[in-house]
Amino acid sequence: GIQVEQSPPDLILQEGANSTLRCNFSDSVNNLQWFHQNPWGQLINLFYIPSGTKQNGRLSATTVATERYSLLYISSSQTTDSGVYFCAVGRSNYQLIWGAGTKLIIKP
Amino acid sequence: EAQVTQNPRYLITVTGKKLTVTCSQNMNHEYMSWYRQDPGLGLRQIYYSMNVEVTDKGDVPEGYKVSRKEKRNFPLILESPSPNQTSLYFCASSPLGYGTDTQYFGPGTRLTVL
Repeated sequence: GIQVEQSPPDLILQEGANSTLRCNFSDSVNNLQWFHQNPWGQLINLFYIPSGTKQNGRLSATTVATERYSLLYISSSQTTDSGVYFCAVGRSNYQLIWGAGTKLIIKP
Repeated sequence: EAQVTQNPRYLITVTGKKLTVTCSQNMNHEYMSWYRQDPGLGLRQIYYSMNVEVTDKGDVPEGYKVSRKEKRNFPLILESPSPNQTSLYFCASSPLGYGTDTQYFGPGTRLTVL
């Protein structure tokens, strides 16, 4: 099956810093999504981005499907950005394979 | 308010005692799914349902059952729970599968099987 690797596993930054999270996947996919899980466990969609670039406020994501990776950029980090960021990929609209996540801690 | 609700939020039980975790959504979504989350492994899909009476296995279906008799409800049944089913469980729904649709997640159910 498809393997999903996220890096780094942990990241600690000061408020205001920028960060880049990476997601590598082992096979071609037609579905790639980024999620955020806050420290209280709530999961939220960030991006649906099987290819190309998208931006939403301070967050942006880029997927290079031909090279099998995606990047999530967070600019001017805030403490509310803390949590775990997951990348999930799939070949269908009904199943996603999730990475292990990147745990981000933003210190005030 | 659009939401996915799960009950109970926390449950401690013993091996072999049947239990059901309920999931309900009020958005008239066709697609619903159950995941388990274990440390260091991300989320793994247990079962999903594309519509009423249509369900299919995810990556880790062993030891679980589901049913979709109504569009809004998608209960997860553990007929004979075992300690390796101790985990954090999430229910999710979306209008029509993953695609470009936003998925809405429930708050999670933390299950401990002794």
